[in-house]
Amino acid sequence: EVQLVESGGGLVQPGGSLRLSCAASGFIFSSYWMSWVRQAPGKGLEWVANIKKDGSEKYFVDSVKGRFTISRDNVKNSLYLQMNSLRAEDTAVYYCAKGPVQGDYFDWFDPWGQGTLVTVSS
Amino acid sequence: DIQMTQSPSAMSASVGDRVTITCRASQGISNYLAWFQQKPGKVPKRLIYAASSLQSGVPSRFSGSGSGTEFTLTISSLQPEDFAAYYCLQHYTYPLTFGGGTKVEIK
Repeated sequence: EVQLVESGGGLVQPGGSLRLSCAASGFIFSSYWMSWVRQAPGKGLEWVANIKKDGSEKYFVDSVKGRFTISRDNVKNSLYLQMNSLRAEDTAVYYCAKGPVQGDYFDWFDPWGQGTLVTVSS
Repeated sequence: DIQMTQSPSAMSASVGDRVTITCRASQGISNYLAWFQQKPGKVPKRLIYAASSLQSGVPSRFSGSGSGTEFTLTISSLQPEDFAAYYCLQHYTYPLTFGGGTKVEIK
């Protein structure tokens, strides 16, 4: 069974940093794209970032470019999101989600982890 | 960026009703569209991928259709467990974008 478990969320002051982790199991992690998606309180879903299976390609939503970095460790089966220069508008539940294998164009965002809450406030 | 316009944003329906939710893309996305269901306090769950393919384990009362710019999610006979928020997602190009969501409530 595929499992994704996020950690690292918490309360941080504006301008601060936080590193989220997502521990993956139940599939060959190194073969799949991985993603971060967030949801502000009471709001809809927003895609944040994608990373290719080997880390060679990374994509970000404009609002986090230059502030967030996505990375992965295929030995530890873990995905990371380094968030710097945090703003109040980054407050959200952050989910990691499994993407497709290379060559599959449709298997995005299944399944999702349980999410970790990031609150940016003074 | 491709905008995904979902309608309605909210609706009230009764058990047994046929429910249709629409998602319109601001430019053509072929069939690079998925639908997700999110119950209150729960994690989103994929229902449909490639616009019309039913995710394994999802009841057959859910169906998706469309291609290009207009897509629909249909629930043929609404069940109590279907009251939730529904989101479309385009993954044709970056940035990936979700629709604003449709909240299906009990009438």
